[in-house]
Amino acid sequence: QVQLQQSGPGLVKPSQTLSLTCAISGESVSESNAAWNWIRQSPSRGLEWLGRTYCRTGCTSDYGVSVQGRISIHPDTSKNQFSLQLKSVTPEDTGVYYCARASIMTGQLAFDPWGQGTLVIVSS
Amino acid sequence: DIVMTQSPDSLAVSLGERATINCKSSQSVLYSPNNKNYLAWYQQKPGQPPRLLIYWASTRESGVPDRFSGSGSGTDFTLTISSLQAEDVAVYSCQQYYRIPYTFGQGTNLEIK
Repeated sequence: QVQLQQSGPGLVKPSQTLSLTCAISGESVSESNAAWNWIRQSPSRGLEWLGRTYCRTGCTSDYGVSVQGRISIHPDTSKNQFSLQLKSVTPEDTGVYYCARASIMTGQLAFDPWGQGTLVIVSS
Repeated sequence: DIVMTQSPDSLAVSLGERATINCKSSQSVLYSPNNKNYLAWYQQKPGQPPRLLIYWASTRESGVPDRFSGSGSGTDFTLTISSLQAEDVAVYSCQQYYRIPYTFGQGTNLEIK
């Protein structure tokens, strides 16, 4: 059974970089069947998919348009986790951030399970 | 992007009664080669992450009570709770995983009448 445990700061200053990690237990981050996603939730934007990383013959990342150019998601095989970095944050980036798994092999890309969520506030 | 629109935004239903939530996508999420709709439903309670209820538009996730069912195809989908229980009070969201960026509906807040 896959479990995801998030960590990272809950307060980030404007213009700085938001960094979160999602530790995986029960499966390898380099497992070719899985895609590892970041999703955020805010009252103004609802649930918003930010991006994903997955590994097949190498690792690839895809990103949402709203954060393109500011975001990077990478696996860390040595720690069996994956990370989110969001640069140049503004108060609009305030929200609850979730990591989540999706199954690539079957094409059943719904998100399950999810991490516990991290409330990130962007404020000076 | 595929826009997901749910109706209604909020819904109050008596215990034991049927609850119906609709979801419409701006483009079809039916993949013809495998005849599958790339549509999921989630339940979210306060302070918790979303919980996957339904995928492929109508397949219940393991452990989900059979009073939850999903239907629809193409662009129009429905989540039905056949007999509302007190523990079903939550926000319900649909999501398409047909095309990146994956997108969610705005959510429907389900309450007890």
